[in-house]
Amino acid sequence: QKEVEQDPGPLSVPEGAIVSLNCTYSNSAFQYFMWYRQYSRKGPELLMYTYSSGNKEDGRFTAQVDKSSKYISLFIRDSQPSDSATYLCAMTSYGGATNKLIFGTGTLLAVQP
Amino acid sequence: EAGVTQSPTHLIKTRGQQATLRCSPISGHTSVYWYQQALGLGLQFLLWYDEGEERNRGNFPPRFSGRQFPNYSSELNVNALELEDSALYLCASSFQSVEQYFGPGTRLTVT
Repeated sequence: QKEVEQDPGPLSVPEGAIVSLNCTYSNSAFQYFMWYRQYSRKGPELLMYTYSSGNKEDGRFTAQVDKSSKYISLFIRDSQPSDSATYLCAMTSYGGATNKLIFGTGTLLAVQP
Repeated sequence: EAGVTQSPTHLIKTRGQQATLRCSPISGHTSVYWYQQALGLGLQFLLWYDEGEERNRGNFPPRFSGRQFPNYSSELNVNALELEDSALYLCASSFQSVEQYFGPGTRLTVT
């Protein structure tokens, strides 16, 4: 079983739709939960991160973490064609011997104009 | 402010050869991370350097190695290349933070 599972999609939505992207994980030591966006042939871009459980909002993006269920989500409101990309969840325990990020395999999102 | 830079953009090598990839972190960042993004496998952690020292390595064979220079730039070396080493190699940097900022990557093709 992978430490982080993410539905690969592809996910296709019309412009203006609300998008929900999700990941599950198995390692209860994870404390920080990140979302990256990766356009084709580019490096991942950090969108936002959350510490422990709870919600965090940044513009049209909202990240949610439920540590009891080991489940994280990213919501995109009023989706735009420019949001079309692969979305990667990542998580880490941070501190101590390792700061490595464990990534999901990514969800490919297409927002149709 | 300049982001993380990597060179070369593309690298084509033959099986058995050695590859050297380079990374310059964001100014002020002292940690450099290397990840491999192979098709269908997602990003896999390779190596972490901080203040010139190797702090942690992922589950990769010893032919994957690297170093960090006094100016905090880093080099990843892959010896005895195998076909399955073909991937996008990504470098990220950070400074005493969980936030890691990625470069554009080097696409390595082994034929």
